[in-house]
Amino acid sequence: ETGVTQTPRHLVMGMTNKKSLKCEQHLGHNAMYWYKQSAKKPLELMFVYSLEERVENNSVPSRFSPECPNSSHLFLHLHTLQPEDSALYLCASSQDPGHTEAFFGQGTRLTVV
Amino acid sequence: GESVGLHLPTLSVQEGDNSIINCAYSNSASDYFIWYKQESGKGPQFIIDIRSNMDKRQGQRVTVLLNKTVKHLSLQIAATQPGDSAVYFCAEREGGTASKLTFGTGTRLQVTL
Repeated sequence: ETGVTQTPRHLVMGMTNKKSLKCEQHLGHNAMYWYKQSAKKPLELMFVYSLEERVENNSVPSRFSPECPNSSHLFLHLHTLQPEDSALYLCASSQDPGHTEAFFGQGTRLTVV
Repeated sequence: GESVGLHLPTLSVQEGDNSIINCAYSNSASDYFIWYKQESGKGPQFIIDIRSNMDKRQGQRVTVLLNKTVKHLSLQIAATQPGDSAVYFCAEREGGTASKLTFGTGTRLQVTL
């Protein structure tokens, strides 16, 4: 257990569905991150939040919408996704937004059909 | 059609030997570097980091070397064990933008008995 919990572990959704991924950290960290890991590309940073404020948006399409209601919770809202969005979505947290000694969750395996 | 994943280079090492995993980075402005380990079905795990004002840093059984002249990073694992089998990848953080992180494609380490 890394102290970062992601739910669900697996998700299959249609292109017209709306779903949300959830991440919770129990480490008292101030920064949280969303990453995408697909079979064809290296791990990609999507979003960075520091104290509930978004500090980095790595040119992510608007069909991905993050939400950070407090420093322990992070959501990724999904709508009208494409099959190429199928990937492992990973959440991480660290004490500061500089990625230092970040802890990752186990990820949500997303399949878009 | 059939999807093609990333082709990861593979390093095969006998148990007890030392492993050296290499990484070339691209941005001369990067000020912080991280090595991660990812086992099958799990999220990445922080191993060790190094700042650009250092050229060597040691942890427990691991050493990271940084050569800024040729933009090269290496991870040395001493007395490699079967539990070290995983994909290892490096990441570089762009200086001046504390939250922007770029990952390498990774190297698969296989430990043979």
